[in-house]
Amino acid sequence: DTAVSQTPKYLVTQMGNDKSIKCEQNLGHDTMYWYKQDSKKFLKIMFSYNNKELIINETVPNRFSPKSPDKAHLNLHINSLELGDSAVYFCASSQDLTRRNTQYFGPGTRLTVL
Amino acid sequence: SQKIEQNSEALNIQEGKTATLTCNYTNYSPAYLQWYRQDPGRGPVFLLLIRENEKEKRKERLKVTFDTTLKQSLFHITASQPADSATYLCALEGSSYKLIFGSGTRLLVRP
Repeated sequence: DTAVSQTPKYLVTQMGNDKSIKCEQNLGHDTMYWYKQDSKKFLKIMFSYNNKELIINETVPNRFSPKSPDKAHLNLHINSLELGDSAVYFCASSQDLTRRNTQYFGPGTRLTVL
Repeated sequence: SQKIEQNSEALNIQEGKTATLTCNYTNYSPAYLQWYRQDPGRGPVFLLLIRENEKEKRKERLKVTFDTTLKQSLFHITASQPADSATYLCALEGSSYKLIFGSGTRLLVRP
């Protein structure tokens, strides 16, 4: 009964490929997030959705496109992968925007671009 | 510019001692500050939240202080155990619903 799950756990791919990471939460939360953690361990927000509506869209290349088919799912699609995209990507959720202060994170997806 | 700074060097202490980790921030006026724990290969786990009008918050062996004048939060683990070894991240709310994280401090508790 994992609260926030992500697939795959590891993703190794060649430059130029397109890949997707899936995220699901079973907490009944309204708000979901994507974060990127680089090699220096900085955790930086990329996107946030509230009830399927895009709320935060950080300065992220438009090769990254989030999709929220329903409020329990937030997927991340990446086109034309580059070496600099290698990082760990975390999905997270919070109850709603007014209670965004407590976030529940998934286990992360380690993306390696060769 | 806005910054959140945590000591990048690992904190190495003996079991049973109190661990104290520091989080300093500049050019923010957060309404609250949070602490998370992150184990290798896992996502961060929420530990404690302290609001700007609270000086101190406790949860079992954990204690957090928040000094808005110094722009600093201290995170204490008393009677530390090897199982407390992890990276601890502080986070505060930036603009527009964003949670901004520090880079974390790694804690190693020796048996």
